[in-house]
Amino acid sequence: QKEVEQNSGPLSVPEGAIASLNCTYSDRGSQSFFWYRQYSGKSPELIMFIYSNGDKEDGRFTAQLNKASQYVSLLIRDSQPSDSATYLCAVKVLSSNYKLTFGKGTLLTVNP
Amino acid sequence: ETGVTQSPTHLIKTRGQQVTLRCSSQSGHNTVSWYQQALGQGPQFIFQYYREEENGRGNFPPRFSGLQFPNYSSELNVNALELDDSALYLCASSRDVNTEAFFGQGTRLTVV
Repeated sequence: QKEVEQNSGPLSVPEGAIASLNCTYSDRGSQSFFWYRQYSGKSPELIMFIYSNGDKEDGRFTAQLNKASQYVSLLIRDSQPSDSATYLCAVKVLSSNYKLTFGKGTLLTVNP
Repeated sequence: ETGVTQSPTHLIKTRGQQVTLRCSSQSGHNTVSWYQQALGQGPQFIFQYYREEENGRGNFPPRFSGLQFPNYSSELNVNALELDDSALYLCASSRDVNTEAFFGQGTRLTVV
């Protein structure tokens, strides 16, 4: 079983719509959760992090964490063509020295 | 800009050669981690340094080694390069081991 799983996509949404990206993780000891955006040929850019169950909002982005279901999601409201990128979900676990474990990423395309 | 700087940005090496990649961490950050990202994959953890000590290692052979200096900058050394070592190498720094990590722009290594 993979430690962090994401749908590889591509996920295609029209401009102005809500994009919903999902991630599941296998280690119940996971303590912190991150969403990175990666444009083609560039390095990952941190866009959200969440440590507690519930929702966390930052501008057009909302991260949702459900530790009981081992599930974390990212919602992007009013999607823009500039949001087109690969979104990487990552977790940190104390027992693994807090290394970041990444999923393979979901490719999001926002169509004008 | 994350304040994390990597050098060089691109590098071409011949199989069997050795390479050193460098990373300057963000001011106030004492933890540096290195990741390897192959095309179409999420970043894979190589190792982490915390206050100049190795603090966790991923599933990479001993020919991958590293250092962290008193100013918390870091080096990644790879000996006996193989074709499969061709990848994007990412450095991430964080204020502490369990806090959010910020990536540099990466070094694209091509082994021919």
